[in-house]
Amino acid sequence: EVQLLESGGGLVQPGGSLRLSCAASGFTFTNSAMSWVRQAPGKGLEWVSGISGSGGSTYYADSVKGRLTISRDNSKNTLYLQMSSLRAEDTAVYYCAKGVTGIGTRGGIMDVWGQGTTVTVSS
Amino acid sequence: EVVMTQSPATLSVSPGERATLSCRASQSVSSNLAWYQQKPGQAPRLLIYGASTRATGIPGRFSGSGSGTEFTLTISSLQSEDFAIYYCQQYNNWPPITFGQGTRLEIK
Repeated sequence: EVQLLESGGGLVQPGGSLRLSCAASGFTFTNSAMSWVRQAPGKGLEWVSGISGSGGSTYYADSVKGRLTISRDNSKNTLYLQMSSLRAEDTAVYYCAKGVTGIGTRGGIMDVWGQGTTVTVSS
Repeated sequence: EVVMTQSPATLSVSPGERATLSCRASQSVSSNLAWYQQKPGQAPRLLIYGASTRATGIPGRFSGSGSGTEFTLTISSLQSEDFAIYYCQQYNNWPPITFGQGTRLEIK
């Protein structure tokens, strides 16, 4: 069974840091681009960051550029999101999602999603 | 950045009837358009990609159409489990990937 399991969310103060993890199973991890998508309370979906299957290419939304860093460890089938200089507007459920291909246009089709992990930025 | 606009924001339809949801892109995205369904407390689920191809396991009552800037998701005969929020998403010009704001499909 194809599965994504996020972890690492929690309550953090403004300006603080957090690292999210997404453990993948049931598919060839290196063949899939991966993305982080977030959803603020009561709001819609916002793509945050993506990474190619090899990890050689990374992409960010302007709203998080310079503060969030995506990475992956293909030997451990795990995706990461290092979050720093966190703001109240980063409060959201963070989903990891699997792309259909490792790179290119179709890497943006997200066919499997994790259950999400909640990040709350508050003092 | 490609801006995706969905209409209507809320759609009220009776079970068994047809629902038609619209999505417009601020510039052409070719057929690189996906639709997702999200129920309360759940992660989104891929329904349609390539504007009209159903994802694995998606029932035939879901269909997508369109290309360029205008897209439609049609649910031919609404079942109780179809009442949810639906998002369109373009992946033609990414990064960034962009989503519409969602259409809430509710029971009339």
